[in-house]
This record gives sequence, structure tokens and C-alpha cells, in this order.
Amino acid sequence: DAGVTQSPTHLIKTRGQQVTLRCSPKSGHDTVSWYQQALGQGPQFIFQYYEEEERQRGNFPDRFSGHQFPNYSSELNVNALLLGDSALYLCASSLARGWETQYFGPGTRLLVL
Amino acid sequence: GDSVTQMEGPVTLSEEAFLTINCTYTATGYPSLFWYVQYPGEGLQLLLKATKADDKGSNKGFEATYRKETTSFHLEKGSVQVSDSAVYFCALSDPTNSGGSNYKLTFGKGTLLTVNP
Repeated sequence: DAGVTQSPTHLIKTRGQQVTLRCSPKSGHDTVSWYQQALGQGPQFIFQYYEEEERQRGNFPDRFSGHQFPNYSSELNVNALLLGDSALYLCASSLARGWETQYFGPGTRLLVL
Repeated sequence: GDSVTQMEGPVTLSEEAFLTINCTYTATGYPSLFWYVQYPGEGLQLLLKATKADDKGSNKGFEATYRKETTSFHLEKGSVQVSDSAVYFCALSDPTNSGGSNYKLTFGKGTLLTVNP
């Protein structure tokens, strides 16, 4: 049973560029959440997707957007990258009922130069 | 709003020592509480959870008890191993916040544990 997978594992971008990160949830899960983890900090909630809709959003600017596909996989897009967007981006999947128990992927480490 | 405060690390112990990592929380509703562990270069793994007051979560020798009166969820292990070296995160979910439409986990900053042989 495959767990949560994310791609790519590492990414280097320059300021102003755009980036797309991808996530495949654990088999049987229908809900995907995205978190940003800055170095030495705990993960910060970006948003959660369920039934292809954004169910809740954290305190992140509109430059951060997402999408969920019919197969429950998800993308995180970040536009106009800033140096401060450098972080580990974590995807977590869960069941809509029982969403509190979230299974995390290994993350994508983004470096913005 | 909701928040989680963990003891600052790093924590360095010798193998077979007793471990306590303190965690306190602030929540407006009736949260569920979690401990996650992050091994070097990996994502977060759920270690244990408790969903109501006085519940004890346990896994792999780790335990934590949900104390509503002290708003705490301290992580303990009687005898740590080198393989327990990792970053530990305390987290909460508070679905009753925002009228029942709060789906996020709120994390503490993490505590780095290093266990020496």
C-alpha cells in the first residue's frame, strides 16, 4: 500500500518564478492538505482540498493556490516566488470523515534564490 | 486562536534515559491532540493521539495523557533508544472552532531529541 507521495523532492527557483508541486494521497484517502514548514519551525497550514474544492485556507496570500483532481491527487502552485517561500512543503492525506488523522508525505524542499 | 507551545530543545539524552517533552495548548473548543515525529530527511509520522480529556495515547513505548485541567499533553518514554533521535511535534485539531469548519492541524515548533549511545 503506497503512502503519500510527492514530487519533485527538491526544487530550486529564482525570485518571481512560478512553481507547481504535486501530491498523490494514500490509497483510499479523499482529502488532501498542504503545509509549509520553514527551517526550524512547525508546519503551517496552507489549505485543504476535498471533492475538488478548497475546504479551508490558512493565512497565506493568494499567490498560493491549489487544485484537486478527480483521482484525489493535488497540486500546489505558488506564483511570484519570494525568498521567504523557501521551505519544505508537506502534503497530507486523510479521509473526509476522520480528517484529523493525517498521513504526511516526505515533502518537497523548495529553495528560492 | 489555537496555539501549541512545546519545550525548547534540543534535548540530549543517553540511551535508556527517561524522556519527557512538555506540550501545552490553547484552544477555543474541544481539541484532539497529537504527537508527530519527523526523522531526518523524512516527512511527519503520526506517533500517537488522544481525542478527549484523560485519554492516554500510546505507541512504540511513547505515552501522552490529555490533561484538560492543565491544558497539557506531555510526551514520555521510559527508556529511549538511539533510533528515537528525531524532531517531535505536538499538534492539535479543533473542529469546533469557527463553527465546526476548522480542518487544520496546528503544530508547535518542534523539539529536537538526540539520543547518544
